[in-house]
Amino acid sequence: GENVEQHPSTLSVQEGDSAVIKCTYSDSASNYFPWYKQELGKGPQLIIDIRSNVGEKKDQRIAVTLNKTAKHFSLHITETQPEDSAVYFCAASGLTGGGNKLTFGTGTQLKVEL
Amino acid sequence: DAGITQSPRHKVTETGTPVTLRCHQTENHRYMYWYRQDPGHGLRLIHYSYGVKDTDKGEVSDGYSVSRSKTEDFLLTLESATSSQTSVYFCAIMGDDNEKLFFGSGTQLSVL
Repeated sequence: GENVEQHPSTLSVQEGDSAVIKCTYSDSASNYFPWYKQELGKGPQLIIDIRSNVGEKKDQRIAVTLNKTAKHFSLHITETQPEDSAVYFCAASGLTGGGNKLTFGTGTQLKVEL
Repeated sequence: DAGITQSPRHKVTETGTPVTLRCHQTENHRYMYWYRQDPGHGLRLIHYSYGVKDTDKGEVSDGYSVSRSKTEDFLLTLESATSSQTSVYFCAIMGDDNEKLFFGSGTQLSVL
């Protein structure tokens, strides 16, 4: 099955700096790659996703890049703010008739310091 | 949380007792999922459902069973709870685009 590795496990940045979180996946058949943000005591919230036919996608201060050849994808957050502090999860799946069964990375605790 | 309600939000139980967690959705989505979240493991799929009475196993299904007798409800049962099942359990539904997963607020389960 799919295996997703995520790095780093913790990341501390100064407010206004950029943050980058990286993930690799093992199954070349995977074609959908979402990123989730989880605040303390809440469920994961989808913040951005990308399909395998796209190399990059942006949404305001957040961007995701995908390298299918190398089987890795990254989350980029620019101009970080204190409210960006949370745990971020990457995931991968191959969309099939059986629904979308995501395999998650182990998470990155992002801390944005003032 | 995309019309998803999980109950209870917190539960403490003893080893060997049965436990049922409930996930209720208000938007008539076909696919529903149960994940567990543990430090160092991220979220792992326990079971999922692709319709009423249609369910299948995920990667960590041992010790768990599920039932879906109505579109809106997906139940997760621990027949005989063990300490290794102490975790946070999340229900998710797949949106109308048949791609994005949306999660509930979770159930914190402690098995003593």
